[in-house]
Amino acid sequence: GEDVEQSLFLSVREGDSSVINCTYTDSSSTYLYWYKQEPGAGLQLLTYIFSNMDMKQDQRLTVLLNKKDKHLSLRIADTQTGDSAIYFCAEGPGTASKLTFGTGTRLQVTL
Amino acid sequence: DGGITQSPKYLFRKEGQNVTLSCEQNLNHDAMYWYRQDPGQGLRLIYYSQIVNDFQKGDIAEGYSVSREKKESFPLTVTSAQKNPTAFYLCASSMEGQISDGYTFGSGTRLTVV
Repeated sequence: GEDVEQSLFLSVREGDSSVINCTYTDSSSTYLYWYKQEPGAGLQLLTYIFSNMDMKQDQRLTVLLNKKDKHLSLRIADTQTGDSAIYFCAEGPGTASKLTFGTGTRLQVTL
Repeated sequence: DGGITQSPKYLFRKEGQNVTLSCEQNLNHDAMYWYRQDPGQGLRLIYYSQIVNDFQKGDIAEGYSVSREKKESFPLTVTSAQKNPTAFYLCASSMEGQISDGYTFGSGTRLTVV
């Protein structure tokens, strides 16, 4: 079945860039998404990329997609303390006709 | 403003009790979903519904039940058969044909067994 993998934790200093990585298995996915979850809250859609693109930039966020390797990354430039959260990647709808979420990466921003 | 509302935010359940979590959306979305979130395990799909009066089991449906009598509402009942119900529950919705919008999530209900 579909599987989406992320590393569990990333720590960066304020002002540095953060790069959160994700790998997925469903080659029929049409969209890939990045969500942000702050403590005790629901998930908020940050950005998405269509599967025929290899890069998308949206202010401080850059999404890179390597479709051959099924690898997705989210780069946050000039990381701030307010960026501390759990970040989920998701892929779909492919063969499952619904989104599959990764395990989430907890980003900790230190001063 | 349109959105998706979950209630209550916190819920306490005694052993052997059934409890129902509410999820209401005014986005006119066709599909609705229930996820369970445990630390370090990401989101696991419990049930989903793509149309009124129809729903499908997700990956961890045992011990849970749902109904979809109205487009706006998708309540989740955690039954006494669910042996480890303490978790954070998230409801989401989506619109058929608006794939780039992904899912819209509620703010969650934290259920604790006491």
